[in-house]
Amino acid sequence: AQKVTQAQTEISVVEKEDVTLDCVYETRDTTYYLFWYKQPPSGELVFLIRRNSFDEQNEISGRYSWNFQKSTSSFNFTITASQVVDSAVYFCALSEEGAQKLVFGQGTRLTINP
Amino acid sequence: DSGVTQTPKHLITATGQRVTLRCSPRSGDLSVYWYQQSLDQGLQFLIQYYNGEERAKGNILERFSAQQFPDLHSELNLSSLELGDSALYFCASSVVGVHTEAFFGQGTRLTVV
Repeated sequence: AQKVTQAQTEISVVEKEDVTLDCVYETRDTTYYLFWYKQPPSGELVFLIRRNSFDEQNEISGRYSWNFQKSTSSFNFTITASQVVDSAVYFCALSEEGAQKLVFGQGTRLTINP
Repeated sequence: DSGVTQTPKHLITATGQRVTLRCSPRSGDLSVYWYQQSLDQGLQFLIQYYNGEERAKGNILERFSAQQFPDLHSELNLSSLELGDSALYFCASSVVGVHTEAFFGQGTRLTVV
């Protein structure tokens, strides 16, 4: 069965600090896909990244970076030099090959204080 | 803007009533997904349609139904509404399957009173 755990319910940091959001997943499939979405206060879900299980290369996009480690079943998300606009709820999600659905974690509410 | 359009944005209705939520997918996307976001259950997959046909079903109640029309827009029908159905309902679309990038609409916030 698919499962995603985001153990950090809430994180609060001061602007310009680096912050890492943890995501641990469970799956029996060898082919699967991992995602991160951002939900700002306005409510929409914004796609951030998709990673397949065969690509363990870390990814960097501006201040955002992702660390995928199959050995620990983790797909962590780091924001460098955080900004107030990064305040949102962040969701990690998993999809098994052929499952046709995203299984979301419970989300981490990130607050960046000025 | 994700390109996925959901209407209405907000809906307030009474228990026992029936409502219809509408979703227009991004241009070119054949798959439409419905998700429910509630405080206690989090984000839950309800149902997926691909090119007019139901492809996958999740935790969708029997009181709920959906369909995808030939122009690829989709509707989610919720009937005999209960207080517990109050939630944010999201529609998402993707080119084919969920393994490609799935883009979400802004959601419809349903409040049942």
